[in-house]
Amino acid sequence: GENVEQHPSTLSVQEGDSAVIKCTYSDSASNYFPWYKQELGKRPQLIIDIRSNVGEKKDQRIAVTLNKTAKHFSLHITETQPEDSAVYFCAADYNNDMRFGAGTRLTVKP
Amino acid sequence: GAVVSQHPSRVICKSGTSVKIECRSLDFQATTMFWYRQFPKQSLMLMATSNEGSKATYEQGVEKDKFLINHASLTLSTLTVTSAHPEDSSFYICSASFRGYGYTFGSGTRLTVV
Repeated sequence: GENVEQHPSTLSVQEGDSAVIKCTYSDSASNYFPWYKQELGKRPQLIIDIRSNVGEKKDQRIAVTLNKTAKHFSLHITETQPEDSAVYFCAADYNNDMRFGAGTRLTVKP
Repeated sequence: GAVVSQHPSRVICKSGTSVKIECRSLDFQATTMFWYRQFPKQSLMLMATSNEGSKATYEQGVEKDKFLINHASLTLSTLTVTSAHPEDSSFYICSASFRGYGYTFGSGTRLTVV
């Protein structure tokens, strides 16, 4: 089955700096890679996703890159703000079988 | 957009009793429902996948007789934790999908077994 590894587990940045979270996956058949933001006790919120036929996608301050050959994908947040502080999960999905990374706790210091 | 309503949001039950958690898709047909469990500071772990009208497929290590899943209609799925024990205390969350087109999460249920 699919195995998703996520790094780092914790990340602390200064407001305005960029944050990068990286994930690798094991199943080359995976074709959908969403990123979720989860605040304490709440449901995961989809923030951006990418499909395997695309190498990069951007939405304002958030971007995701995908390297299918290396089987890794990354989340980039620029100009971080304190409200970006949360736990971020990557996931890899194939045929309705989605597996999550372990999560990254991002702290943005004002 | 797609909405999944999950109830209850919090429940406290006595050890040995059963608890039922409901997830309803409000404006779309959930052909597949996923149930996750999340322990504090950990990731979402898939417990089982259910397709409407079929028996759920459980992940390895998840007891199907303890975590009963029913997906009798395209808009409702339930998870019943039977004979709950303190170690079952966790955050349970459902996610619904219509034919694989995206996933919509419920708001989660915080279960505390005392």
